[in-house]
Amino acid sequence: NAGVTQTPKFQVLKTGQSMTLQCAQDMNHEYMSWYRQDPGMGLRLIHYSVGAGITDQGEVPNGYNVSRSTTEDFPLRLLSAAPSQTSVYFCASRETGANYEQYFGPGTRLTVT
Amino acid sequence: AQKVTQAQTEISVVEKEDVTLDCVYETRDTTYYLFWYKQPPSGELVFLIRRNSFDEQNEISGRYSWNFQKSTSSFNFTITASQVVDSAVYFCALSEISGGGADGLTFGKGTHLIIQP
Repeated sequence: NAGVTQTPKFQVLKTGQSMTLQCAQDMNHEYMSWYRQDPGMGLRLIHYSVGAGITDQGEVPNGYNVSRSTTEDFPLRLLSAAPSQTSVYFCASRETGANYEQYFGPGTRLTVT
Repeated sequence: AQKVTQAQTEISVVEKEDVTLDCVYETRDTTYYLFWYKQPPSGELVFLIRRNSFDEQNEISGRYSWNFQKSTSSFNFTITASQVVDSAVYFCALSEISGGGADGLTFGKGTHLIIQP
C-alpha cells in the first residue's frame, strides 16, 4: 500500500495563478480531508469529503475548491492564488467514524509570491 | 466549539531527562477522541496514540506514556529518558463523535520539543 500520496511536493506560484494539488489514497477510505499548516497555528481543516460526490467546508475554506469523483482521489484547487495561501498542505484519509486515526500524506509546500 | 490548547510553544531539555507535554481541550460532546501526532524535522505526521473519552486508563508504550484526566480536560504526554530522536513538533488533536467526526481533527498549535545531546 502506498497510503496517502500527494503531488507536487513543492510549488511556487505567482499571485493570481491557479493550480491543483493532487491527493490519492489506496486504502479504500471513504473520508478524506485537506489541512493547511502555518507556523504557530497547528493544522486547520480546509475541506473534507465523506464519500464520492460529497464534500463540505471546514474551518478555512475560502479560496479553495474541491471535488470527489472517485473514492481514491481528492484534489484541492486554488482558483486564484494569494500570498496568504503560502502554507504546507496535508491531505488525510481515514475509515468512516471519528474514532479512526487519520493517515496523512507527506505534504505539499506551496509558496505564493 | 471544540478547542485544543498546547500552552508550551517550545521545550528544550537535555537528553535522558523526562519531559511532559501538556494538552488541554474543550468540547461540548460527551463522546470524543483525543490523539497525539509527532512531526519530525522531515515534516510528515506520525500517529502516536488515540484515546476515547470513556477510557481514562493511562497508557504506556515504551518510553512514552499518556495521562488522560477528564476532570481537568487534559491529555498529557510524557517521554521518559528522552533521546535526540524525540526532537520534533508534537500535536494534540480532538475529534468529536457528533456528525461522525466529519469535522475532522481540531489540532492544538503544537509543542516544539528539542532534545539536546
